Amino acid sequence: EPEVTQTPSHQVTQMGQEVILRCVPISNHLYFYWYRQILGQKVEFLVSFYNNEISEKSEIFDDQFSVERPDGSNFTLKIRSTKLEDSAMYFCASSERGTGTNYGYTFGSGTRLTVV
Amino acid sequence: SQQGEEDPQALSIQEGENATMNCSYKTSINNLQWYRQNSGRGLVHLILIRSNEREKHSGRLRVTLDTSKKSSSLLITASRAADTASYFCAILNFGNEKLTFGTGTRLTIIP
Repeated sequence: EPEVTQTPSHQVTQMGQEVILRCVPISNHLYFYWYRQILGQKVEFLVSFYNNEISEKSEIFDDQFSVERPDGSNFTLKIRSTKLEDSAMYFCASSERGTGTNYGYTFGSGTRLTVV
Repeated sequence: SQQGEEDPQALSIQEGENATMNCSYKTSINNLQWYRQNSGRGLVHLILIRSNEREKHSGRLRVTLDTSKKSSSLLITASRAADTASYFCAILNFGNEKLTFGTGTRLTIIP
């Protein structure tokens, strides 16, 4: 069964450093997403991406964050100048179609980001 | 808040018993989805029910949706130890693309 692949599985970074989280969505999917889950808390939407641009973003997704699809397969989340509170599990997801089409989302297994 | 609220927060049952988890929400929805998360792992999509559907089955899973009460339930029949996980409902509203997740039910199956 097709999978969404995320790398690395765990990243430790110094506060203030930049990190790039990588995702390879399912090849025929057109919609891509990043979510995060702070330990013990609910899963929160960060951003959706379609047709090479951000289609929706949450209040969490401020200027510290950016997304990019640098080639035909990768989808990245960049966090500039990381803060302690950025420590969380970050999930990438993709779907064949977006809202209103009644398809579930396929999530990757996540990247656990620890900011020290 | 639009988010789903799961009930109960934690549930422990004996293997072989049925497990029922509930989800309530506050707004009109496009669809409601249930996901499973094993400890420290990713989210696995279990089942999606559209706003015009009332019940859906997938293997040992049965999901109901009552839009008048803005609630959904997930029933896992004949539970197994491998069903131990957290279960989340997530709603998709019309007009946007983000899933809004609930806080989850932690299900423990006792062998």
